[in-house]
Amino acid sequence: QSALTQPASVSGSPGQSITISCTGTSWDVGNYNLVSWYQQHPGKAPRLIIYEVTERPSGVSNRFSGSKSGDTASLTISGLQAEDEAAYYCCSYTRYNTLFGGGTKLTVL
Amino acid sequence: QVTLRESGPALVKSTQTLTLTCTFSGFSLSTSGMCVSWIRQPPGKALEWLARIDWDDDKYYSTSLKTRLTISKDTSKNQVVLIMTNVDPVDKATYYCARTSDHAKYYFDYWGQGTVVTVSS
Repeated sequence: QSALTQPASVSGSPGQSITISCTGTSWDVGNYNLVSWYQQHPGKAPRLIIYEVTERPSGVSNRFSGSKSGDTASLTISGLQAEDEAAYYCCSYTRYNTLFGGGTKLTVL
Repeated sequence: QVTLRESGPALVKSTQTLTLTCTFSGFSLSTSGMCVSWIRQPPGKALEWLARIDWDDDKYYSTSLKTRLTISKDTSKNQVVLIMTNVDPVDKATYYCARTSDHAKYYFDYWGQGTVVTVSS
């Protein structure tokens, strides 16, 4: 299967909101509420920030939120802060497999 | 607290077999629903899920790599081992192990720090 499709980069100024899309198919994103999002700073391991489309693990800021419509999931970060600058990856279950997106580099201007 | 740590050779030769070990603490792979996956990331590229082993010894593999991968666990040692055969320079990557605490949820709540593997030709 192909990876999920994400924009290569997004940017925003401190305090603004940005949204990162993650497009799959009816075999993965569109068929299961099993989308998760990960934040990865350079040289670090990924960190879970959203699971099951909309749920936030304890300790993750409520500035991070997730949603899904059809075959596309989205991650929104509100009130951008400098420390949000990182790569973001979506992930979805598909039958007998797990797919990641190509990753999106967020730049905080 | 939950921790995972990957270990293995930093350098392997093309066509050889790569063996990676994930040693974890803070949870048991004999607990119902618990799973451990291997995920890799080539330099500057995206994450790629490789394989998963569940508490009941069910195993799942990436469809594109399944002929080359074997995952196993040693519950008494709190370890999960991934074997990749016939490595190629394109297998150069940071290899992570990660936990899933509910086999039906398919998200990774704890990750190791990763181990870097280079494949020489």
